[in-house]
Amino acid sequence: DTEVTQTPKHLVMGMTNKKSLKCEQHMGHRAMYWYKQKAKKPPELMFVYSYEKLSINESVPSRFSPECPNSSLLNLHLHALQPEDSALYLCASSQVGFQEEAFFGQGTRLTVV
Amino acid sequence: AQSVTQLGSHVSVSEGALVLLRCNYSSSVPPYLFWYVQYPNQGLQLLLKYTSAATLVKGINGFEAEFKKSETSFHLTKPSAHMSDAAEYFCAVIPTGGFKTIFGAGTRLFVKA
Repeated sequence: DTEVTQTPKHLVMGMTNKKSLKCEQHMGHRAMYWYKQKAKKPPELMFVYSYEKLSINESVPSRFSPECPNSSLLNLHLHALQPEDSALYLCASSQVGFQEEAFFGQGTRLTVV
Repeated sequence: AQSVTQLGSHVSVSEGALVLLRCNYSSSVPPYLFWYVQYPNQGLQLLLKYTSAATLVKGINGFEAEFKKSETSFHLTKPSAHMSDAAEYFCAVIPTGGFKTIFGAGTRLFVKA
């Protein structure tokens, strides 16, 4: 199994809503990532988890809250988002060592209204 | 700081023609280099990676890339374009001793029938 599965594929939420994005992998990878991608731009790193511990937070606003419940799962909790947060949110995983290639999920297309 | 430059935000080729997508990196020490492809509304998929084992790297879907230290380049080529190759292509680096993937701005490949 070389897949990273993200749910939901699409999400529309209001600025006062609370929602969560989910990511799952069963490749035994111990590094997991959240990226944000705006249209016609490369992915921007948001968070990195290594061995279920948050190791990198790229100065992301607190309205985005990551969680890594176990080695296979990664969540991104969303609260009080702004319309400019609308984007494709990508989850990825890799072997720890950081020089390894990342395996990406299909992404969640988020629209904030 | 390490950076990646992709020359040409758009490249258009005819079906059956040579594909050449350019990537240059800035580093005195060769980093780990990658090419990823992204189809519309999809995540990123690894095409190939350079890890210093060989300067000519073969990837999936008939793509290959040649690492040229003297030119600090890692251009992506395919001898004969297919309509299904139309996508966004990202060159990426992980600096030696680093941990963060740095993506180029991307090149959109169009394939004309």
